[in-house]
Amino acid sequence: EAGVAQSPRYKIIEKRQSVAFWCNPISGHATLYWYQQILGQGPKLLIQFQNNGVVDDSQLPKDRFSAERLKGVDSTLKIQPAKLEDSAVYLCASSRRGGIADNEQFFGPGTRLTVL
Amino acid sequence: QQPVQSPQAVILREGEDAVINCSSSKALYSVHWYRQKHGEAPVFLMILLKGGEQKGHDKISASFNEKKQQSSLYLTASQLSYSGTYFCGTETNAGGTSYGKLTFGQGTILTVHP
Repeated sequence: EAGVAQSPRYKIIEKRQSVAFWCNPISGHATLYWYQQILGQGPKLLIQFQNNGVVDDSQLPKDRFSAERLKGVDSTLKIQPAKLEDSAVYLCASSRRGGIADNEQFFGPGTRLTVL
Repeated sequence: QQPVQSPQAVILREGEDAVINCSSSKALYSVHWYRQKHGEAPVFLMILLKGGEQKGHDKISASFNEKKQQSSLYLTASQLSYSGTYFCGTETNAGGTSYGKLTFGQGTILTVHP
């Protein structure tokens, strides 16, 4: 079974530029998560999709961040414009489906973003 | 609210045991444990559901105390491969329904030396 795929693996941009990350979850997984992990901290949930609908985006800075999951499969996360404090690893995870308790999340390798 | 993990860091010799604790100020529906090695993605270890069930595989086990809103991860006879950062992810009680939303602790760094 193929794992969660993410690209690019690394990205360096100047502040105020735009950037986009792509995630392809494990086949058949209905729930997709985007996390932000700042160095030395635990992952912080940005947005959770169930199929192509948003379940939770309460911690997504909506003035600059946006995410979509068209057709309920792969997803993109965009930052526009980027700030220095956005430097972090952006992790994508997927799980079989929400609404059940025994539901492990599988993480992708992440995209390391550096904003200069 | 973010769960609190303790200790922040542990240094062990191979074969020694360790306990990592995770405490929440809110009622918990489930607790997930993950291990992350440097530069890699978090890897799932186990899920504990409300009910106080203890789980384990190999030499890693965990318990979940609903009343105290705490979970503990037990690593026995540690191996070099156990080194990494351990995170608990908590799911708070959403009226009995699970949505899978996790809030992760700040992590516990475990280092095992030969």
